[in-house]
Amino acid sequence: GAVVSQHPSWVICKSGTSVKIECRSLDFQATTMFWYRQFPKQSLMLMATSNEGSKATYEQGVEKDKFLINHASLTLSTLTVTSAHPEDSSFYICSAKGREVRGEQFFGPGTRLTVL
Amino acid sequence: RKEVEQDPGPFNVPEGATVAFNCTYSNSASQSFFWYRQDCRKEPKLLMSVYSSGNEDGRFTAQLNRASQYISLLIRDSKLSDSATYLCVVNPRGGYNKLIFGAGTRLAVHP
Repeated sequence: GAVVSQHPSWVICKSGTSVKIECRSLDFQATTMFWYRQFPKQSLMLMATSNEGSKATYEQGVEKDKFLINHASLTLSTLTVTSAHPEDSSFYICSAKGREVRGEQFFGPGTRLTVL
Repeated sequence: RKEVEQDPGPFNVPEGATVAFNCTYSNSASQSFFWYRQDCRKEPKLLMSVYSSGNEDGRFTAQLNRASQYISLLIRDSKLSDSATYLCVVNPRGGYNKLIFGAGTRLAVHP
């Protein structure tokens, strides 16, 4: 089956620092990757959608200058949380889908970010 | 109003019980519907798609009522391993492209 990895699985950082999270599709080419955020006891909220080689499309209310997304290859997308603050502490999950228009999204295991 | 609403639970049931979860969605034009399962601190995993005619996968049965904008999941003969949070998921445009997640219903199956 399709496997998506994320790295790191958890990270603790100081307020004001930047954190980069990687999302990789291991056995398929991910033409589209999605980044979600989930706060405790809340639903996954889509932050942005990125297509390989083009700029990400951000959801309303998500600051594109704060959450930098790069999808430079068909197997890798990165999310950089710039100048992180405690309110950015959350569970960040990526998903990826292949070329099929109605193809399934495959989720990564998530990254737990704690900003002190 | 949230786009996808679910009863948060928890539903505490004994092994072997039958349990049903409901979900309502606000966008009447929604095209695709799914149930995902999420274990604590893990990523969501697709349990099953939901079709207009209703569909079954082993002990799991999903139903869709487009007129009422209502989706259900029935689990028969609950197992301890069914303990998880069940997420109702809707795609406004069809397929898997943009998924709108409910907050989930927590199920705890006890011996």
